[in-house]
Amino acid sequence: DQQVKQNSPSLSVQEGRISILNCDYTNSMFDYFLWYKKYPAEGPTFLISISSIKDKNEDGRFTVFLNKSAKHLSLHIVPSQPGDSAVYFCAASANFGNEKLTFGTGTRLTIIP
Amino acid sequence: KAGVTQTPRYLIKTRGQQVTLSCSPISGHRSVSWYQQTPGQGLQFLFEYFSETQRNKGNFPGRFSGRQFSNSRSEMNVSTLELGDSALYLCASSPHLTGKYNSPLHFGNGTRLTVT
Repeated sequence: DQQVKQNSPSLSVQEGRISILNCDYTNSMFDYFLWYKKYPAEGPTFLISISSIKDKNEDGRFTVFLNKSAKHLSLHIVPSQPGDSAVYFCAASANFGNEKLTFGTGTRLTIIP
Repeated sequence: KAGVTQTPRYLIKTRGQQVTLSCSPISGHRSVSWYQQTPGQGLQFLFEYFSETQRNKGNFPGRFSGRQFSNSRSEMNVSTLELGDSALYLCASSPHLTGKYNSPLHFGNGTRLTVT
């Protein structure tokens, strides 16, 4: 039962354009959402998060949007840079404590110079 | 501050053997979680330890076990290895129990296990 889904395994975007990565979830108890970035041969690195009390969180070139009614979140990267080429994982948890972080299967983003 | 350290980086084992992986969390972090990453499956949760106690467990067989020491370092053991256990095993640490206070996990670079 995949509670967090990233339906696009890969995405290619021209350098300087906007990259939009999408994530859907099914568990209505999730109230904290994160995006991680992973380069080959390295562990995932935390990028940005959002609590369910917000619908948008921004950090530099990265913005995460949360649509609770649609159980959907997205990560926007503007402008996209070659160093953004990586696999992006979204993750979610329920803030009760003792709740694991559930990850999606990842989207491989390739920025074309 | 040193990051999460996992040893060894690479391991090759034969079916039926057992293996122990090690993880040193960021100083001051009391929670250690383990994840398995395989192609197309994302990161699958194995277990989480906090203050030397297992607090949560994923849907893996009993061949997968772990422990945490008083200094928060953790080990993961897999017995009777199967070909399907070949994967990248990631350890992550956090100051708090996952889900509490919205603390993100900090990951190590993983141990790549190959079972032949």
